[in-house]
Amino acid sequence: GPKVLQIPSHQIIDMGQMVTLNCDPVSNHLYFYWYKQILGQQMEFLVNFYNGKVMEKSKLFKDQFSVERPDGSYFTLKIQPTALEDSAVYFCASSTGTGMSAETLYFGSGTRLTVL
Amino acid sequence: GDSVTQTEGLVTLTEGLPVMLNCTYQTIYSNAFLFWYVHYLNESPWLLLRSSTDNKRTEHQGFHATLHKSSSSFHLQKSSAQLSDSALYYCALSDNSGTYQRFGTGTKLQVVP
Repeated sequence: GPKVLQIPSHQIIDMGQMVTLNCDPVSNHLYFYWYKQILGQQMEFLVNFYNGKVMEKSKLFKDQFSVERPDGSYFTLKIQPTALEDSAVYFCASSTGTGMSAETLYFGSGTRLTVL
Repeated sequence: GDSVTQTEGLVTLTEGLPVMLNCTYQTIYSNAFLFWYVHYLNESPWLLLRSSTDNKRTEHQGFHATLHKSSSSFHLQKSSAQLSDSALYYCALSDNSGTYQRFGTGTKLQVVP
């Protein structure tokens, strides 16, 4: 089936540094998402992105977070500066964009971010 | 606001026994869509089932679920558990108020011989 690729699978970084998580969504998909999962907890919505713009973001999407997809390349989540509480697995997902929240989400396998 | 509740964190079953994983939800909107995603270790979560209309059963890969708006439930069932069913199962909700799906805490299903 359709694949979403996330690079890297693991990232270890010192607190205060910048990190960029990369996502290669399914090629004809138009809607992109980031979810955050702290160990032992549920996947929580961070942000979604459509037509070059953030459509909706949650309270977890702090000012230090930003997303972009320049020129149809990777959909990225940047955290600058990182904090200890940013340690989590970040899942990228994409959907076709025709049915909005009622659509099937296609997930990547996640990037495990550890902030020291 | 909207919420999804999965009461069991871990369900351990003997192979061959029936599976039932609970999912209830809360939303003020009449148009609710419910989903079951399955997440195998070191893989990507993927869609197992999506709700249809009220009281209509949906099936896929031996699993089935029925959306019951009267009880706000979408429980996942299977008649006979297999070892390969061992995974994390997430129930998710969307409605026509927002643009994303809200996930429950997940239920880890462990099937043993």
